[in-house]
Amino acid sequence: DAKTTQPTSMDCAEGRAANLPCNHSTISGNEYVYWYRQIHSQGPQYIIHGLKNNETNEMASLIITEDRKSSTLILPHATLRDTAVYYCIVRVSIFGNEKLTFGTGTRLTIIP
Amino acid sequence: GAVVSQHPSWVICKSGTSVKIECRSLDFQATTMFWYRQFPKQSLMLMATSNEGSKATYEQGVEKDKFLINHASLTLSTLTVTSAHPEDSSFYICSARDLQGSYEQYFGPGTRLTVT
Repeated sequence: DAKTTQPTSMDCAEGRAANLPCNHSTISGNEYVYWYRQIHSQGPQYIIHGLKNNETNEMASLIITEDRKSSTLILPHATLRDTAVYYCIVRVSIFGNEKLTFGTGTRLTIIP
Repeated sequence: GAVVSQHPSWVICKSGTSVKIECRSLDFQATTMFWYRQFPKQSLMLMATSNEGSKATYEQGVEKDKFLINHASLTLSTLTVTSAHPEDSSFYICSARDLQGSYEQYFGPGTRLTVT
């Protein structure tokens, strides 16, 4: 499994862009990078995923470096509701089952 | 988006009793569902992979006789914690993979189990 490394915590001012980094230097060529977030006492919420191209959806943008060893999740205009733990995950596929291995994540706090 | 529900959202039980937690995919079919456990201030730990119509696959260190998983239909998986003890108190979360979609997993809201 490719492991990921994320900062333990980050703060961001409300209305600003939140940039959450993730290192995955041992990622394999066919592994995707996924981002989920977990608001306190809730189940994780899917945000975005990508293979090698940058991706954007209504929630966020995902920037993956050319060597695929790191990525950045961007929340363009952070709100207080974006306060959560953000998990960067590299998908593991074993016998067709798509296991997600969660690391410790980044606790993002949006400051009013 | 796809919705996954869990029931109950919280439960308190006495030590030695069994508790069943349901996980349902409400608007999609899922041949595969996953069960996670999360202790306070820790990350999610995968317990087992539940496959419709077949036996679940348990992660190393998870007792299959204690955590019984049944996936009888494409929209329902159940986790039964047998002979629960206080150390089983945790937040249990399921997820389901949409058959028709890509490889996104959709998570339920979680069930908080407290064993007294």
